[in-house]
Amino acid sequence: DQQVKQNSPSLSVQEGRISILNCDYTNSMFDYFLWYKKYPAEGPTFLISISSIKDKNEDGRFTVFLNKSAKHLSLHIVPSQPGDSAVYFCAASGNYGQNFVFGPGTRLSVLP
Amino acid sequence: GAVVSQHPSRVICKSGTSVKIECRSLDFQATTMFWYRQFPKQSLMLMATSNEGSKATYEQGVEKDKFLINHASLTLSTLTVTSAHPEDSSFYICSAYGLPSSYNSPLHFGNGTRLTVT
Repeated sequence: DQQVKQNSPSLSVQEGRISILNCDYTNSMFDYFLWYKKYPAEGPTFLISISSIKDKNEDGRFTVFLNKSAKHLSLHIVPSQPGDSAVYFCAASGNYGQNFVFGPGTRLSVLP
Repeated sequence: GAVVSQHPSRVICKSGTSVKIECRSLDFQATTMFWYRQFPKQSLMLMATSNEGSKATYEQGVEKDKFLINHASLTLSTLTVTSAHPEDSSFYICSAYGLPSSYNSPLHFGNGTRLTVT
């Protein structure tokens, strides 16, 4: 039973446009969420986080939105750049920093 | 930012041998370290959680006698794959949890180890 779902295995976006990556979760106890970016044969790199007390967090080109009632979060990247091409994982936790559950990832391709 | 060093990055070994993978937190104390495994085109699968000075907690389905974890200090955890078989070939990633206030993320990842068992 997948507690964290990323239903789009892949996404292609034109350079300069907005990329929207979605994540859904089933466990209502989750209260802290992270997005990671991963290049092949490397470890994940932290992008942005959001806790359940907020519904939006922004850091440069990256914005994460959280809809607690829908148990849904999304990562917006604008403008998208070719270097953003990677696999993006969303992760959720019920306690700050403990036992994160990862989604299956979405492969983003930003086309020049 | 926080740095987690994982070594080796790539290892090839013969079936039946053991392989040790090291995970070090270089600039912070890691109270908890996690070991993940990733199969091709799949997500990170948590294998075990280790806390410094105590036994690791293994996820269901992970053989603790096969995947030995030692977290001897606040900066080092090791994963030993014993009597490796070709089906153990995978990408193993460690992460470390610490709370230095200057970092945004509580979970910092190593760069992973690609294990190939022939």
